[in-house]
Amino acid sequence: ETGVTQSPTHLIKTRGQQVTLRCSSQSGHNTVSWYQQALGQGPQFIFQYYREEENGRGNFPPRFSGLQFPNYSSELNVNALELDDSALYLCASSLAGLAGKDTQYFGPGTRLTVL
Amino acid sequence: AQRVTQPEKLLSVFKGAPVELKCNYSYSGSPELFWYVQYSRQRLQLLLRHISRESIKGFTADLNKGETSFHLKKPFAQEEDSAMYYCALSSGSARQLTFGSGTQLTVLP
Repeated sequence: ETGVTQSPTHLIKTRGQQVTLRCSSQSGHNTVSWYQQALGQGPQFIFQYYREEENGRGNFPPRFSGLQFPNYSSELNVNALELDDSALYLCASSLAGLAGKDTQYFGPGTRLTVL
Repeated sequence: AQRVTQPEKLLSVFKGAPVELKCNYSYSGSPELFWYVQYSRQRLQLLLRHISRESIKGFTADLNKGETSFHLKKPFAQEEDSAMYYCALSSGSARQLTFGSGTQLTVLP
């Protein structure tokens, strides 16, 4: 069983730039959720993708967008980067549709620094 | 809106002592609650969920709807329990997790 993987591990960007983060879900999982974790805080839900469509969204502006591919991998795109976007971005995969089997499994995260 | 509060950012106990990590929640519906743990240099992983009503690594957590709490307990702490612990609540159609800010547990020898 392959766990959740994320790339890149670290990324440095400047204000105003755009960034794409990638996530490969655990084998057998069909749902991907993205979270932002600022320093000293718990993860905060950005959005979720299920069957290649957005299935829920947290309190994040539209410049945060995503994609899910037929193989269930996913991308998180952030446009017009701001200093406050500096954080650890976590991807979590799960198997939707089975009560009690929808535990979210997390990847190692991508550390984004915006200068 | 849902909210999870972990009042202690840091908690230190001696090996063999009991430990309790506090978690309180605010949610209008029927809550589903979790404890996640992050050991040093490892990814966030599920420790336990309240619907399973199981003990993992000696930890238990009981949902108290009257007090809106889901405290994590272990009768005898071990040094390997030192980690960051997050309480989380699942809600919405996406069953998204709302996390508390975490408690860093240190078990002293």
